[in-house]
Amino acid sequence: ETGVTQSPTHLIKTRGQQVTLRCSSQSGHNTVSWYQQALGQGPQFIFQYYREEENGRGNFPPRFSGLQFPNYSSELNVNALELDDSALYLCASSAPLAGGGDTQYFGPGTRLTVL
Amino acid sequence: DAKTTQPNSMESNEEEPVHLPCNHSTISGTDYIHWYRQLPSQGPEYVIHGLTSNVNNRMASLAIAEDRKSSTLILHRATLRDAAVYYCILRYSGGSNYKLTFGKGTLLTVNP
Repeated sequence: ETGVTQSPTHLIKTRGQQVTLRCSSQSGHNTVSWYQQALGQGPQFIFQYYREEENGRGNFPPRFSGLQFPNYSSELNVNALELDDSALYLCASSAPLAGGGDTQYFGPGTRLTVL
Repeated sequence: DAKTTQPNSMESNEEEPVHLPCNHSTISGTDYIHWYRQLPSQGPEYVIHGLTSNVNNRMASLAIAEDRKSSTLILHRATLRDAAVYYCILRYSGGSNYKLTFGKGTLLTVNP
């Protein structure tokens, strides 16, 4: 069974540019969530996709957008990059739990640096 | 999501038990208690979850207070590989339960 994979591992961009991060979910998982983790902080929820539709969004501006594809892989796009967007971006795919809720399986993340 | 309170850091010796506390005084009856941990340079990983009864799995045990206002994650024999940030998270079991709300967690240091 292949786990959650993300690409690229590291990325350096300049302010104002656009970036696309990619995630392949664990086999059989149809739900993908994206999180932003600043240095020294816990991850913050950006949004989630379920069967190619957005299924909830955190407190992030519209320049953060996403896609989910029929094979359940996903992309996170960030436009007009700002210095504060420098962070570790984590993708997680979900498996439902009996009784409600889910368990989220995280990838290793993409480290984005904005100069 | 209801709020949790954890110590910022804890220290343990290798092969000794570790008890990581979490307070959640505003927990509701439909909230599950989840624990995740994040090893250095990795994404978080699921550890364990429970509702009312104590739970055991291959990684850890979860002890839940009778009033559910607190819980304790127990690592029975800490190893160096258990050094990580541990997050206690409450999750509503119904509706569109789609996100994990992380706090700052507890940084566990394991001494050889």
